[in-house]
Amino acid sequence: AQSVSQHNHHVILSEAASLELGCNYSYGGTVNLFWYVQYPGQHLQLLLKYFSGDPLVKGIKGFEAEFIKSKFSFNLRKPSVQWSDTAEYFCAVRATGTYKYIFGTGTRLKVLA
Amino acid sequence: EPEVTQTPSHQVTQMGQEVILRCVPISNHLYFYWYRQILGQKVEFLVSFYNNEISEKSEIFDDQFSVERPDGSNFTLKIRSTKLEDSAMYFCASSAEQGATKNIQYFGAGTRLSVL
Repeated sequence: AQSVSQHNHHVILSEAASLELGCNYSYGGTVNLFWYVQYPGQHLQLLLKYFSGDPLVKGIKGFEAEFIKSKFSFNLRKPSVQWSDTAEYFCAVRATGTYKYIFGTGTRLKVLA
Repeated sequence: EPEVTQTPSHQVTQMGQEVILRCVPISNHLYFYWYRQILGQKVEFLVSFYNNEISEKSEIFDDQFSVERPDGSNFTLKIRSTKLEDSAMYFCASSAEQGATKNIQYFGAGTRLSVL
């Protein structure tokens, strides 16, 4: 069965620290990959996506992610976090030919001012 | 920016009662979805809906659940006889059929369902 793993459940960083959140998936076929962010009380908001092409994708708010097919990974990065990045981050995968997203467990990021 | 809206934000119900969760998808979207997240667990897919019929559903989506697009704007999830284990956050999402945002699902803020 398809699954998505996010290894960091809670991350605490100081402002200006660099961020990397891991995401691994298990599926042998072609996938679309997503990172969503959820600020408290708000809807899931798309940060970035990978469908095809350049495996390094840039999203909103200075986030980027790299798709490494051989490692089945799609890690999220930001060189310098801000207090306003405090939120929960979800990795999601959609296998081609299906509609559903498979989500990871989410990572709660707290950035200390 | 257009948003998916869900009402109510919090629904409390007694076990065995029927509940209807409501969603207004983004207006030009034709694919609709429901997901749920039990506290402390992953966001799980329930069902997708296109052209007035279910296009895909998970094993969670049993006979207790149904979806409907009763008019041109709303998309509803009905749980016929709620159980304690139905307590969760329910997310609605929608996506476009074509264009640059095809295959990108846009989510609402969720309805927290508490079954007592």
